[in-house]
Amino acid sequence: GAGVSQTPSNKVTEKGKYVELRCDPISGHTALYWYRQSLGQGPEFLIYFQGTGAADDSGLPNDRFFAVRPEGSVSTLKIQRTERGDSAVYLCASSSGVEQFFGPGTRLTVL
Amino acid sequence: QQQVKQSPQSLIVQKGGIPIINCAYENTAFDYFPWYQQFPGKGPALLIAIRPDVSEKKEGRFTISFNKSAKQFSLHIMDSQPGDSATYFCAAIKAAGNKLTFGGGTRVLVKP
Repeated sequence: GAGVSQTPSNKVTEKGKYVELRCDPISGHTALYWYRQSLGQGPEFLIYFQGTGAADDSGLPNDRFFAVRPEGSVSTLKIQRTERGDSAVYLCASSSGVEQFFGPGTRLTVL
Repeated sequence: QQQVKQSPQSLIVQKGGIPIINCAYENTAFDYFPWYQQFPGKGPALLIAIRPDVSEKKEGRFTISFNKSAKQFSLHIMDSQPGDSATYFCAAIKAAGNKLTFGGGTRVLVKP
């Protein structure tokens, strides 16, 4: 079956611009997670959705970051006024239990 | 605070060797310990996982050893192959519906 998909695979933007990153989870998975992976490091948690609601957003670094999951399936991570330090791979994962399955990620580069 | 510490950062072995990656955790509330394999440009792929009530788990050529009292666990790759060359991450989670806490990763290179 289809895994977690993320679009775009790569995004290059300029400092100060707004970006949206999309995640399409595995069908039937009610839990969806966003992580951020900087070069040479392990993924770091950003936010977790159970259904449509954000159950835990403690990993969002500041109020420039926001995520939604309006219908309990696809999720969008939104970053306002991007900074060079936001450059990283943004990973999405979904689960129906304790195992989390990751998508290929979106590589964001802020120039 | 780094809750999951992973070592070594990198490892080189010959084909057929046994790379061993070690992880230590601090939070005794962690209840599930997965390992992920990541190839360049790809997302992490779940490899094998263990719960603290089990001391060892094998799946194919991958074995996890778990020491609950020491709060340590390790991954062994038996009869390693060049195709196993990747970055491996240990992780820990309290329960379903919680965030994964990852170690820093180990880059494994298996030479032919």
